Amino acid sequence: DTEVTQTPKHLVMGMTNKKSLKCEQHMGHRAMYWYKQKAKKPPELMFVYSYEKLSINESVPSRFSPECPNSSLLNLHLHALQPEDSALYLCASSPLTSVTYEQYFGPGTRLTVT
Amino acid sequence: GENVEQHPSTLSVQEGDSAVIKCTYSDSASNYFPWYKQELGKGPQLIIDIRSNVGEKKDQRIAVTLNKTAKHFSLHITETQPEDSAVYFCAVNTGFQKLVFGTGTRLLVSP
Repeated sequence: DTEVTQTPKHLVMGMTNKKSLKCEQHMGHRAMYWYKQKAKKPPELMFVYSYEKLSINESVPSRFSPECPNSSLLNLHLHALQPEDSALYLCASSPLTSVTYEQYFGPGTRLTVT
Repeated sequence: GENVEQHPSTLSVQEGDSAVIKCTYSDSASNYFPWYKQELGKGPQLIIDIRSNVGEKKDQRIAVTLNKTAKHFSLHITETQPEDSAVYFCAVNTGFQKLVFGTGTRLLVSP
């Protein structure tokens, strides 16, 4: 089973709202990722967690705050977003071994900032 | 940083034809080359990947070939079907956990 689940599927929020995106996997993967994907563009890496610790932050603005409560869960807290932050937010997970790089993506959360 | 170019940006074929998508990359240290298929409204799905110690890998109707010397790799889909219609992304690893994606190819398979 290579399933990564994300909730909600769609989210509309105002620029003053606070909301959270959630991601879950039960494959025993120890690396989890957040990507942002704009329309007709490839996914862009935002954050990577390895063994529940933040290992990569691709200079993402502080209005995006990731959290990894345990090895199966990944959250992305959103606050004071801008309309240009509207995008598909993808979560992915990967086994963390020295010979494995595969990343498995969830279906994404379609975020609209009004 | 790593630069990944992908061509063509759109590809239209008739059902049963073959389709080929090509990617080139710049970092000779890259050693992992996956292909993803993204259908409308869904997340990218890993369909095949290849590592630098292998020149070709095949899985039923799809295959990937890698030329490390020339720094390019290609996705080959044979006997295309309408359900193959999607956007395909190549990717290249930069370091252990980072993937850089190509710009995508929209494949349309007409019945």
